[in-house]
Amino acid sequence: ETGVTQTPRHLVMGMTNKKSLKCEQHLGHNAMYWYKQSAKKPLELMFVYSLEERVENNSVPSRFSPECPNSSHLFLHLHTLQPEDSALYLCASSRVRGANTGELFFGEGSRLTVL
Amino acid sequence: ELKVEQNPLFLSMQEGKNYTIYCNYSTTSDRLYWYRQDPGKSLESLFVLLSNGAVKQEGRLMASLDTKARLSTLHITAAVHDLSATYFCAVDILKNTGTASKLTFGTGTRLQVTL
Repeated sequence: ETGVTQTPRHLVMGMTNKKSLKCEQHLGHNAMYWYKQSAKKPLELMFVYSLEERVENNSVPSRFSPECPNSSHLFLHLHTLQPEDSALYLCASSRVRGANTGELFFGEGSRLTVL
Repeated sequence: ELKVEQNPLFLSMQEGKNYTIYCNYSTTSDRLYWYRQDPGKSLESLFVLLSNGAVKQEGRLMASLDTKARLSTLHITAAVHDLSATYFCAVDILKNTGTASKLTFGTGTRLQVTL
């Protein structure tokens, strides 16, 4: 495996289900991100994890819960979602800024549909 | 709050023609990124612009950054059908080193190159 891999690629769930999205990066990076991409909206940064910090977008509902057990793995736990949460969820990784460019490398995304 | 605006939002152009996509942002920054997204696919990094006056070129695409005007351009030369995609610019305003990127994305420009 190379780059950033996300599973599952497609997920359909009911509003009462609990599911998780998984992301793994094989690039030796030390920061990982979750972005939400909805139709006709800009990409929205949801969560950031790095060695020094965890950053949350305050507008993200608590029904989304991130987990980052190490620098290579990132999860997004989902529970009691709403239909408006249907979107493409993109995981990305990067090296921490400084001498690095801060460039993000994205996975293929998990397409979520909430019924 | 940082705002990133792209125009046009949709661009239909003939093969062989030249055109420019504009990216304006509202807050001082010296880090700007361009990404490409094909339908149903993830985001692919095209250019990283890290200083005022930076210019990068790859094939028929050329990107530039004017930090004083808070403007970046993506110029397309002699367009070909394979360039059809959605192009995003993204800006990172953080100045602290050693912290993760926190990119704010524009809404994207959907480019359609016709024969």
